[in-house]
Amino acid sequence: NSKVIQTPRYLVKGQGQKAKMRCIPEKGHPVVFWYQQNKNNEFKFLINFQNQEVLQQIDMTEKRFSAECPSNSPCSLEIQSSEAGDSALYLCASSPGLGVEQYFGPGTRLTVL
Amino acid sequence: QQQVRQSSQSLTVWEGETAILNCSYENSAFDYFPWYQQFPGEGPALLIAIRSVSDKKEDGRFTIFFNKREKNLSLHIKDSQPGDSATYFCAASETGGSNAKLTFGKGTKLSVKS
Repeated sequence: NSKVIQTPRYLVKGQGQKAKMRCIPEKGHPVVFWYQQNKNNEFKFLINFQNQEVLQQIDMTEKRFSAECPSNSPCSLEIQSSEAGDSALYLCASSPGLGVEQYFGPGTRLTVL
Repeated sequence: QQQVRQSSQSLTVWEGETAILNCSYENSAFDYFPWYQQFPGEGPALLIAIRSVSDKKEDGRFTIFFNKREKNLSLHIKDSQPGDSATYFCAASETGGSNAKLTFGKGTKLSVKS
């Protein structure tokens, strides 16, 4: 069973509002990924970290999305100005390394009204 | 262009049968293939995974058969139970380099009838 913790489980925001979600990776896992799963079950990779360093992020993430994984604090993903198209399940996964198994949390379900 | 494709959106089997879920991929650089099981309202749970150096991986009732030449793989669930009813995602990644992001198929919704 995954020990990745994500909060909140549900988030409702109006268009243009900030939306922030948090993730605590499994203990001892230095690699963290964020994915977006839409209602059509399409997964989109957003960003990944190794310890506090960003390894890779997609263009969307570079513009309206910001993320960080500070030491001794939860990782976070924030959408600066939410849009209706951002409504999705945001999944955090942690991994003991690169190129090995990824363990997902329960996700944060974002609804943008 | 879908990099990872699952051929069936849904599959129904009877309790006790073997469910076979198929997956194919485009990118020859993919070398790690996990399958995830997802129940409604939950995150995906890692079920079983295979690396491209192997052609078969077994774990209890779950077996992956992998064909590198044909770029396809399948997940076999033996003795299917109603509790196996869920959506199953095939995923793939390149394990070299700093990315190793997963690319997912769109899932196969499995229903096991009793």
